[in-house]
Amino acid sequence: ETGVTQTPRHLVMGMTNKKSLKCEQHLGHNAMYWYKQSAKKPLELMFVYNFKEQTENNSVPSRFSPECPNSSHLFLHLHTLQPEDSALYLCASSQDLVQRVLYEQYFGPGTRLTVT
Amino acid sequence: AQTVTQSQPEMSVQEAETVTLSCTYDTSESDYYLFWYKQPPSRQMILVIRQEAYKQQNATENRFSVNFQKAAKSFSLKISDSQLGDAAMYFCAYRSAGNNDMRFGAGTRLTVKP
Repeated sequence: ETGVTQTPRHLVMGMTNKKSLKCEQHLGHNAMYWYKQSAKKPLELMFVYNFKEQTENNSVPSRFSPECPNSSHLFLHLHTLQPEDSALYLCASSQDLVQRVLYEQYFGPGTRLTVT
Repeated sequence: AQTVTQSQPEMSVQEAETVTLSCTYDTSESDYYLFWYKQPPSRQMILVIRQEAYKQQNATENRFSVNFQKAAKSFSLKISDSQLGDAAMYFCAYRSAGNNDMRFGAGTRLTVKP
C-alpha cells in the first residue's frame, strides 16, 4: 500500500442522497488531489489542495464539494448526483506543490461510486 | 489545453518478451514532465517512470524505459522481459512545470500471456 487510504471503497447512492468520500494520507505530504476515473475516459483532475488551500477547481459541478481540514485529510461531499457521476474517485497526495519541482503523486485505492 | 493520447486501447505480450506502449501529447510549452502510471486490476495506481522534458537522456527504471522524442511530442514506454505481474492498465500523463494540472491519457490495457 502507498500510504493513502480511502473510505468507503464502494458506495451506492440515490440521486437525492448526501454522502461523503474520505481520503487520508500518512506520508507527511502537503498537497492532495481528487480525480474522477470513468470507463474508457482519461483520468480527470477535479480539485487540488496545497497546504489546505484549494488551488485548482477544474470546472467541477457544485454538486461535488471538497473539504480539506488539514494536510492529512481530504473529503468530497456529494449531493444530488446524477447517474453519469458514477465512476471511480481517486485521491492522491504529493509533497508541496512547488512549480518546476517534480514531485510524484501517490494514489489511494479509490471509491467506486454508483448513482442510481 | 494540453492533451495526451494513447492510441492503443489494448496490447498483449508474451511473457519474457518486450512490448512498447505509445503515448503522444500536444503542448506549446517547453518545460514539463511526463509520467507513466500503472494500475493493476483492483489495485492502486503507482508511478512506473518519469521524465523531465529538459533532460535529453531517456529515463530508465530496471525493466522499464522510455523513448522520449521531444520534437515529435512522443513518450513511449518499453517493458523488457515482461512478467505476469506487469499486466495492468498503463496511463501516460503530462504535467506542466508551471502549474499543478496533470493530464492523463485514456490508458492502455496490457495483457501478459504465460
